[in-house]
Amino acid sequence: EAGVAQSPRYKIIEKRQSVAFWCNPISGHATLYWYQQILGQGPKLLIQFQNNGVVDDSQLPKDRFSAERLKGVDSTLKIQPAKLEDSAVYLCASSLGVGHPSYNEQFFGPGTRLTVL
Amino acid sequence: DQQVKQNSPSLSVQEGRISILNCDYTNSMFDYFLWYKKYPAEGPTFLISISSIKDKNEDGRFTVFLNKSAKHLSLHIVPSQPGDSAVYFCAASIGAGNMLTFGGGTRLMVKP
Repeated sequence: EAGVAQSPRYKIIEKRQSVAFWCNPISGHATLYWYQQILGQGPKLLIQFQNNGVVDDSQLPKDRFSAERLKGVDSTLKIQPAKLEDSAVYLCASSLGVGHPSYNEQFFGPGTRLTVL
Repeated sequence: DQQVKQNSPSLSVQEGRISILNCDYTNSMFDYFLWYKKYPAEGPTFLISISSIKDKNEDGRFTVFLNKSAKHLSLHIVPSQPGDSAVYFCAASIGAGNMLTFGGGTRLMVKP
């Protein structure tokens, strides 16, 4: 079974530039999550989708971050404009979705390491 | 306000001995708890979980204990192996499938 795919793996940009990350979840997984992991800390949820609807985006800095999951499968996360403090690893995860016996288990992709100079 | 805390940033254990990783939480609404393992340059990998209706869950060498009154959970690895060397995160959610709140992680080093 293919895992969660993310691209790019690494990205270096200058502050005030824009950047986009892509995630393809495990086939059949209804729920998709984006996390931000700053060095030395645990991952922090940015946004959670159930199919193509947003379940929780309370911790997403909406003035600069946006995310979409148009067809309920893959998803993109965008930052515009980037700030120095956005340097982090951006993790995408997916799960089977509410209602499935194993839906609490989230499967993570390898992450995209963003460096903002 | 850190709702999930792992107070030990690192732990070193001899191969074959027990590793005990600890986690404390403050939000009494949390009812699902999970442990993830993370190797460098990889995403976290699910290890084991426990719901608040239980106080123990076991899977092979891994056992998670939950003490609700103390708002404390621990992960026991017996016996520890060098391949277990990684960063371990505990996480909690309110309702299964909802957002996970992670601790800061504990780096485990198992020495041969």
